[in-house]
Amino acid sequence: GAVVSQHPSWVICKSGTSVKIECRSLDFQATTMFWYRQFPKQSLMLMATSNEGSKATYEQGVEKDKFLINHASLTLSTLTVTSAHPEDSSFYICSAQTGGAFTGELFFGEGSRLTVL
Amino acid sequence: GENVEQHPSTLSVQEGDSAVIKCTYSDSASNYFPWYKQELGKRPQLIIDIRSNVGEKKDQRIAVTLNKTAKHFSLHITETQPEDSAVYFCAASMDTGGFKTIFGAGTRLFVKA
Repeated sequence: GAVVSQHPSWVICKSGTSVKIECRSLDFQATTMFWYRQFPKQSLMLMATSNEGSKATYEQGVEKDKFLINHASLTLSTLTVTSAHPEDSSFYICSAQTGGAFTGELFFGEGSRLTVL
Repeated sequence: GENVEQHPSTLSVQEGDSAVIKCTYSDSASNYFPWYKQELGKRPQLIIDIRSNVGEKKDQRIAVTLNKTAKHFSLHITETQPEDSAVYFCAASMDTGGFKTIFGAGTRLFVKA
C-alpha cells in the first residue's frame, strides 16, 4: 500500500520557538495532503487541507498564521507551528490520498508528538 | 460543515461476541464513509469503507451498513478476537476535488479473552 512518512516523530521545544514537521509520500504523488491534530483519547481533528502549488485550506477555528502549511512538491507537505506555546502541545498527524479514480482512502504518517515547555 | 457523531465511546465485549459501533453524519452531500482502526501507538488504517450508492458491505468478520435517509452508518464486527481491541473511527467525506474527511470521536473497543 501507499506509504506516508512523517518527521520528526517527537519534538520538544521551548515556548516561543517554531517547529517544522514534514510529511512525505514515499511511493506515490499526493496533490492533496491533510493535517490532523489528535488530543489524548480524542478524535482526529482536521486542521487544514494542503494543496500542492497553492494555499492551504484551513478549517474554522484554526489559526493560519500559527500553523503554516506549505506543499511545495507532490511528495512533501510541511506544517510549521510558529511561536509555539504549551497549549499547542499535541499529536499532529498528516495523511494523503493516492488520487486514484474515486478512491478516498487516507494513508497516515506516523504522527509527530509536540511538547512545548 | 460536516459533523460526525459516534457511539459508544467505549465498548467492552467478550471474545467471540459481536460488536456494533454507530455513527451519524450531518451533511447529505457526503458520499464516502470509511472506518479506520488505530491500535495503540500506531497510525490509523482503513479497515472497510462504503459509498453512498451501496447499503451494505461485508469483508470477512466486519461489515458496514449505511442508511442514507437517516444519515446513519454502522460497523459490525462478528466473532471478536483480542486483536480486534483498538480505537475505531468512523468518518464521512465527499468527492469534491479531494476527499476532505471528518472523523467521529472514536470508539475504544476492548475484547476480553
